[in-house]
Amino acid sequence: DSGVTQTPKHLITATGQRVTLRCSPRSGDLSVYWYQQSLDQGLQFLIQYYNGEERAKGNILERFSAQQFPDLHSELNLSSLELGDSALYFCASSVATGNEQFFGPGTRLTVL
Amino acid sequence: DQQVKQNSPSLSVQEGRISILNCDYTNSMFDYFLWYKKYPAEGPTFLISISSIKDKNEDGRFTVFLNKSAKHLSLHIVPSQPGDSAVYFCAGSTTSGTYKYIFGTGTRLKVLA
Repeated sequence: DSGVTQTPKHLITATGQRVTLRCSPRSGDLSVYWYQQSLDQGLQFLIQYYNGEERAKGNILERFSAQQFPDLHSELNLSSLELGDSALYFCASSVATGNEQFFGPGTRLTVL
Repeated sequence: DQQVKQNSPSLSVQEGRISILNCDYTNSMFDYFLWYKKYPAEGPTFLISISSIKDKNEDGRFTVFLNKSAKHLSLHIVPSQPGDSAVYFCAGSTTSGTYKYIFGTGTRLKVLA
């Protein structure tokens, strides 16, 4: 158990819908990262937050957004969902930027 | 543009033998590399890392080698055990700027008993 929690574990929704994925980092970790893993793909970095502020952006679509709240939990919002958005979404946390990242168990999103 | 490549999607090794997982990178700005292991239905877990100032780092049965001139790193597992069967991801990062990790597509290792 990495100490990073993600909810929900599974999510099934339809095209065009909007979903929110939630992540609680390890106690004391200030940085949160979001990754997407599609079938047979590596982990694609989406976005990083540090202590409530956006720190780095990867290949995150404009339909996706994220935020980190004062209690340091983070949410990833995916809107106007398409079939190709079906993937595993992982959240990771670290003490600060540059430290080892600890990953949560992931949320499996299925868009029908 | 795939900055980190793991060209072998899968690898099978007999228990007790050496497993060698390879990774190539193209971004010359990377100065920190990591290996993560992933079991089904779990998130990736950190295994071992190496800074570009070193060419080898060892932790028990796991050793990572870095060849900067070839932009190549490898993970050696000796001896391999059935519990090592998992997907292994390598990642590159820079220790300046954003520190974001760029992951490869993974290699599925199967250790046969």
